[in-house]
Amino acid sequence: DIQMTQSPSSLSASVGDRVTITCRASQSISTYLNWYQQKPGKAPKLLIYAASSLQSGVPSRFSGSGSGTDFTLTISSLQPEDFATYYCQQSYINPLTFGGGTKVEIK
Amino acid sequence: QVQLVQSGAEVKKPGASVKVSCKASGYTFTTYGINWVRQAPGQGLQWMGWISPSNGNTNYAQKLQDRVSMTTDTSTNTAYMDLSSLRSDDTAVYYCARGDPQSYYSDHWGQGTLVTVSS
Repeated sequence: DIQMTQSPSSLSASVGDRVTITCRASQSISTYLNWYQQKPGKAPKLLIYAASSLQSGVPSRFSGSGSGTDFTLTISSLQPEDFATYYCQQSYINPLTFGGGTKVEIK
Repeated sequence: QVQLVQSGAEVKKPGASVKVSCKASGYTFTTYGINWVRQAPGQGLQWMGWISPSNGNTNYAQKLQDRVSMTTDTSTNTAYMDLSSLRSDDTAVYYCARGDPQSYYSDHWGQGTLVTVSS
């Protein structure tokens, strides 16, 4: 199985901060990398697919980059509604593994 | 609009089976796949498998392959996930999600179904 490692596992940030979350795959996955946001008690929400494509309706402050094994999710200016847990997922090969998550908390 | 509506919470005893349904609307059911994902309490996301409603083809996570079965009913646009020989560590929220047919990412999710396994 491909292992997905996210860092950090948690972070504290203030409204307006630029936030970067990284995700590393244990082998190359081309650009088959997706990012999800999950709030407590809610289903995950797709933010970014294919490493850098913004899902319809998602604010442009979210962006994704990377290919191969190293990927990044960036929130350019953190908003109050962005405090949540973020997961990366590879969809290159079965099983479609997720990273362990990054919890973004209010500083 | 795309909607996936799942069946209600279940409480099961160890060794029993559970069947979770996921009714899709707002799109052509057979042109997308369905991913099933679960989340144990306080834990991360675990992909369970994929089914293609157009032909019934499935891909299961190897760890669950002996106990999971995914089916669809195209007459009612409903997907089903059956998990047998339940154990306490199967306690989780189970999600269905619409899957992109080329890249398999999940772009719309159901609300989740809590399955509790307890004696």
